[in-house]
Amino acid sequence: EVHLVESGGGLVQPGGSLRLSCAASGFIFSNYWMSWVRQAPGKGLEWVANIEPVGRDKYYVDSVMGRFTISRDNAMNSLYLQMNSLRAEDTAVYYCATQAYYSFHHWGQGTLVTVSS
Amino acid sequence: QSVLTQPPSVSGAPGQRVTISCTGSSSNIGAHYDAHWYQQIPGTAPKLLIYGNNNRPSGVPDRFSGSKSGTSASLAISGLQAEDEADYYCQSYDSSLTNFVFGAGTKVTVL
Repeated sequence: EVHLVESGGGLVQPGGSLRLSCAASGFIFSNYWMSWVRQAPGKGLEWVANIEPVGRDKYYVDSVMGRFTISRDNAMNSLYLQMNSLRAEDTAVYYCATQAYYSFHHWGQGTLVTVSS
Repeated sequence: QSVLTQPPSVSGAPGQRVTISCTGSSSNIGAHYDAHWYQQIPGTAPKLLIYGNNNRPSGVPDRFSGSKSGTSASLAISGLQAEDEADYYCQSYDSSLTNFVFGAGTKVTVL
């Protein structure tokens, strides 16, 4: 059974940094594209970034370009999101998800990031 | 404002059939990118309901079905049940934005 567990969320001041992790199990992690998707409180879903299986190609939504970095460690079955220069509008639950057929098949439970002074 | 347009809410009595529309454009659904659907029960993570316009992952009841025509897609729920009360999101890929895009979501209420 596919299992994704996010961690690393918390309260951070504007301009601060945070690193999210996603531990994957139950599937061959190194075969899959992976994505981060976020959901602001009371709002809809927004795709943030994705990374191809060997970690070479990475893509981002414009609003996080240059501030967020997605990475993965296939030996550790882990996905990461380094978030710098955080803004209030980055406040959201961040989900990691497996990606296939341009859709998101398996999701973690999410980790809450709150950017506030 | 979302790239994919969904009605904010739909409702139906138990046993009825409801449909949720998702209207896109020539740079996403109309550009032959597939539509996908997710169910999100409040307080929980989204769950993939339909992928590739009309394919159900294993474990999803066949009461849920999807279709696509032109620049729009639809999700139908037949034999509506109380447990179907949730938010439903459509999603596709947009070639102009080079982004995955979601609709704003539709709240389904079982009367």
